[in-house]
Amino acid sequence: EIVLTQSPGTLSLSPGERATLSCRASQSVSSSYFAWYQQKPGQAPRLLIYGTSSRATGIPDRFSGSGSGTDFTLTITRLEPEDFAVYYCQQYKSSPWTFGHGTKVEIK
Amino acid sequence: QVHLVESGGGVVQPGTSLRLSCAASGFTFRRYGMHWVRQAPGKGLEWLAVIWSDGSKKIHADSVQGRFTISRDNSRNTLYLEMNSLRVEDTAVYYCAGDEGGRPFDPWGQGTLVTVSS
Repeated sequence: EIVLTQSPGTLSLSPGERATLSCRASQSVSSSYFAWYQQKPGQAPRLLIYGTSSRATGIPDRFSGSGSGTDFTLTITRLEPEDFAVYYCQQYKSSPWTFGHGTKVEIK
Repeated sequence: QVHLVESGGGVVQPGTSLRLSCAASGFTFRRYGMHWVRQAPGKGLEWLAVIWSDGSKKIHADSVQGRFTISRDNSRNTLYLEMNSLRVEDTAVYYCAGDEGGRPFDPWGQGTLVTVSS
């Protein structure tokens, strides 16, 4: 099983600031099968980034993903009020599909 | 409009059974692999099970293997999760999600809450 470790657990930032979220895999993950999701309280997760760096439909370009091998990053260039949420990374190459434990981006 | 709507959650006692449903609309259900994912209160996402688009293959997470069973009815555009021998630790919001041939999970349902308590 591929274990995904996200850091930091919580990121306290102000609107307009840059957010950098990390996800480290316990073994190499194909970049074609790595995704990021956003989840707001009381809502289902929403796909943000797939294939490491491709934005899902309707996702603004302030969200970007990068990485390879075991280290992946989600960057939000300028935080908008609606971006404060929990973010999960995921590998979807094969079973068991695994998620990181999440990074909460909160308003400072 | 793409929709997945889960139903069947509720409050049950330990050791009992429950069947969740996930009704799909707005997309070609039979082309999608379908998953169940759960989220315990205040916790992260846990993948539970997958069923291939034609139902030919199923895989369950070790944590639910032997107790939970995923199935689907493509004629009804519906996914199911049969849950037996429920435990307190199965308390969670249960989401269904689709993947179009090895792609990420999209769409997702809104979730249904299962509470296992005596």
